[in-house]
Amino acid sequence: AQKVTQAQTEISVVEKEDVTLDCVYETRDTTYYLFWYKQPPSGELVFLIRRNSFDEQNEISGRYSWNFQKSTSSFNFTITASQVVDSAVYFCALIQRSYQLTFGKGTKLSVIP
Amino acid sequence: NAGVTQTPKFRVLKTGQSMTLLCAQDMNHEYMYWYRQDPGMGLRLIHYSVGEGTTAKGEVPDGYNVSRLKKQNFLLGLESAAPSQTSVYFCASSYPRDNLQETQYFGPGTRLLVL
Repeated sequence: AQKVTQAQTEISVVEKEDVTLDCVYETRDTTYYLFWYKQPPSGELVFLIRRNSFDEQNEISGRYSWNFQKSTSSFNFTITASQVVDSAVYFCALIQRSYQLTFGKGTKLSVIP
Repeated sequence: NAGVTQTPKFRVLKTGQSMTLLCAQDMNHEYMYWYRQDPGMGLRLIHYSVGEGTTAKGEVPDGYNVSRLKKQNFLLGLESAAPSQTSVYFCASSYPRDNLQETQYFGPGTRLLVL
């Protein structure tokens, strides 16, 4: 069975602070994809990144960076110099050799001006 | 290119009424999915389809039916709505590669309130 745990239910930071959202996953398969999605207050789900299980390189996209560590089954997401527009619920998700994308329960990030 | 669209955006039903949610995608994706999102629960898969004319059950299929008569459309039906089906419903689509599913792209969601 696959499982995604986002232990942080809610996080509040002051604008310009850095913040890391944690994601821990469980899977028995050696081949899988990990994802991060953003859900702003408007409600839509926005795809941020996909990482396959064979690629442990960290990735940076502007103020966003992702740290994938198979040894600890973690795929953490860091926002540098946070902005009010980053306020949203962020979901980590996992898919293996099935059709089911398993989501964590999400972390609500509030960036205070 | 509209991506994934959902109709309607919001609906209020009385217990026992029926309705159909429509999902349409213009990305020529093979796979389509219906999820529901409830507070504190994340997203849970209701039904999915791997191609025109095929459907399968997900994690929480009870009380719902689906149909995929055309590749671009995926319908979610509630035959007799119950208050427990009050939720936000998301449709998604993806294209398979190497036996793994590619990124799922989501529609804007449908808010359903069952009284």
